[in-house]
Amino acid sequence: AQSVTQLDSHVSVSEGTPVLLRCNYSSSYSPSLFWYVQHPNKGLQLLLKYTSAATLVKGINGFEAEFKKSETSFHLTKPSAHMSDAAEYFCVVSVSSNDYKLSFGAGTTVTVRA
Amino acid sequence: DGGITQSPKYLFRKEGQNVTLSCEQNLNHDAMYWYRQDPGQGLRLIYYSQIVNDFQKGDIAEGYSVSREKKESFPLTVTSAQKNPTAFYLCASARGMFNEQFFGPGTRLTVL
Repeated sequence: AQSVTQLDSHVSVSEGTPVLLRCNYSSSYSPSLFWYVQHPNKGLQLLLKYTSAATLVKGINGFEAEFKKSETSFHLTKPSAHMSDAAEYFCVVSVSSNDYKLSFGAGTTVTVRA
Repeated sequence: DGGITQSPKYLFRKEGQNVTLSCEQNLNHDAMYWYRQDPGQGLRLIYYSQIVNDFQKGDIAEGYSVSREKKESFPLTVTSAQKNPTAFYLCASARGMFNEQFFGPGTRLTVL
């Protein structure tokens, strides 16, 4: 079974500084990987996805992530944090090559200081 | 305007009652999903459906039931057998395998 580990449960950054959210996955095949963002009491919104094309994936709102197969990582970054980036972020991996299910990480809460 | 809708946004239930949460999508997606979210635990899969008239149990199906009579609709019933139903429930849909899931705004269920 596939699984995903978000290495930080909480990240705090100052506005205008870089954001790094770390994600490692385990997979016996080449997975699809996603990052979602969730603002309080809202549904999840897709930030970006990796599906075996370019290893550096650009998403919405200035976020990007790099797929590193050798390190089984899919870390999310943003060069300059905004106050509106304060939210919870989920790293997600497809479960298998023939299954519709996704496996969600436990989430990382981002706080942005003024 | 395409998307997923969930209703109601807030739902209160007395112990021993069954309640049904609505999920509708107009994205023409084949697959639909129900998740439960508790603080600090991420999302856990309750049920999913890959096609009309077919659905499978997820990781925490006990105390829940679903139906998929129409492509657009995937209602979730929280039965009295669910011992701890207070949670935030999220519905999602996807075009198919390896595609991203689109989420509804969620329903917060509270048992009084």
